[in-house]
Amino acid sequence: AQSVTQLGSHVSVSEGALVLLRCNYSSSVPPYLFWYVQYPNQGLQLLLKYTSAATLVKGINGFEAEFKKSETSFHLTKPSAHMSDAAEYFCAVSGIRSSARQLTFGSGTQLTVLP
Amino acid sequence: GAVVSQHPSRVICKSGTSVKIECRSLDFQATTMFWYRQFPKQSLMLMATSNEGSKATYEQGVEKDKFLINHASLTLSTLTVTSAHPEDSSFYICSAKTEVYEQYFGPGTRLTVT
Repeated sequence: AQSVTQLGSHVSVSEGALVLLRCNYSSSVPPYLFWYVQYPNQGLQLLLKYTSAATLVKGINGFEAEFKKSETSFHLTKPSAHMSDAAEYFCAVSGIRSSARQLTFGSGTQLTVLP
Repeated sequence: GAVVSQHPSRVICKSGTSVKIECRSLDFQATTMFWYRQFPKQSLMLMATSNEGSKATYEQGVEKDKFLINHASLTLSTLTVTSAHPEDSSFYICSAKTEVYEQYFGPGTRLTVT
């Protein structure tokens, strides 16, 4: 069984400030972990993914995330927020076996960037 | 590469009618496609998993006779909402997967049932 918990349904940061979106996972098997971004009335765009290689993963638009097995966390960060980062962010987990490739999503975090 | 399209992007239908939503992988062959439903301000809920040429696997609580899924080819899956009612109004998103781990998402279809 897999689950994802995103702490904070809403996060507000000032433009230029650090962005930190939290994600903790639970998985009975070694996980693959993902962060997706969703803009209003659009589908999901992959920001980055962890697939058991390097624990620090760099993604698009300056985002990165670090897999910490001891903390079962995969928090998303960006050093300096931009207005265009305002969106909904979803953390997701899947198993590494092909039979367990379904994604389980967290509840999402709405990021607001203040001018 | 790895583009998934959905058609239509928005649809309004009357209660009791059926609506078909198409999901296409444009530049790759998808062994598996997934259908999700998303209510406003909420996360994506997996409805069903479909593999080309076989019956879809529905998640618990999803009525298979109401949400008909057909995955006739490696590039096309369809979701038909039969006898739609206002409570079926939602944002429906599909995704397509190859043999590797990544899913590619479509842009979504906004269904409004009046």
